[in-house]
Amino acid sequence: DAGVIQSPRHEVTEMGQEVTLRCKPISGHDYLFWYRQTMMRGLELLIYFNNNVPIDDSGMPEDRFSAKMPNASFSTLKIQPSEPRDSAVYFCACGAGANVLTFGAGSRLTVL
Amino acid sequence: GIQVEQSPPDLILQEGANSTLRCNFSDSVNNLQWFHQNPWGQLINLFYIPSGTKQNGRLSATTVATERYSLLYISSSQTTDSGVYFCAVATGNQFYFGTGTSLTVIP
Repeated sequence: DAGVIQSPRHEVTEMGQEVTLRCKPISGHDYLFWYRQTMMRGLELLIYFNNNVPIDDSGMPEDRFSAKMPNASFSTLKIQPSEPRDSAVYFCACGAGANVLTFGAGSRLTVL
Repeated sequence: GIQVEQSPPDLILQEGANSTLRCNFSDSVNNLQWFHQNPWGQLINLFYIPSGTKQNGRLSATTVATERYSLLYISSSQTTDSGVYFCAVATGNQFYFGTGTSLTVIP
């Protein structure tokens, strides 16, 4: 098992550009979580899915953020338009029954 | 949401020393996990421990759910133990993370 796969690992973009982060969870894990980590706010839950259905998106900071999970093996987090304050490391995590979380390596986003 | 407090916030150890990290939480939980974030940023699950005691090599953890705290013990610390240790708790499927304990082990 390759674990949770995130891409890209690093992204540098300019303010106003669209950013798409991708996640491939572990096969058979029915929960998928998107987290954001910054020095100021620590690890924040943005949204999570159960069986591809969004369950709680109350952590999504603004309408500029959206997330989808079209099937059990793929999820995206999109920011449009991006702003400098969106700079952070974005983690995808998954779990079977949300018991034990397994994190991906993260996507480090820098918005200039 | 549930408040999660970790202590100490920072810790410096000489290699070979032992340490105890603490996690207090404000409400009943059905899930508690300890993670290690290494200097490269990778978050590794150490323990799934909603109650009781578990051991894995030099690491062990104890959760006393009725008193709303968990402890992570590191014995004979090594430089590779350096990083940030996070406690995460959940009621249902909503996980709340503490602010972490930053550990530096010096040779």
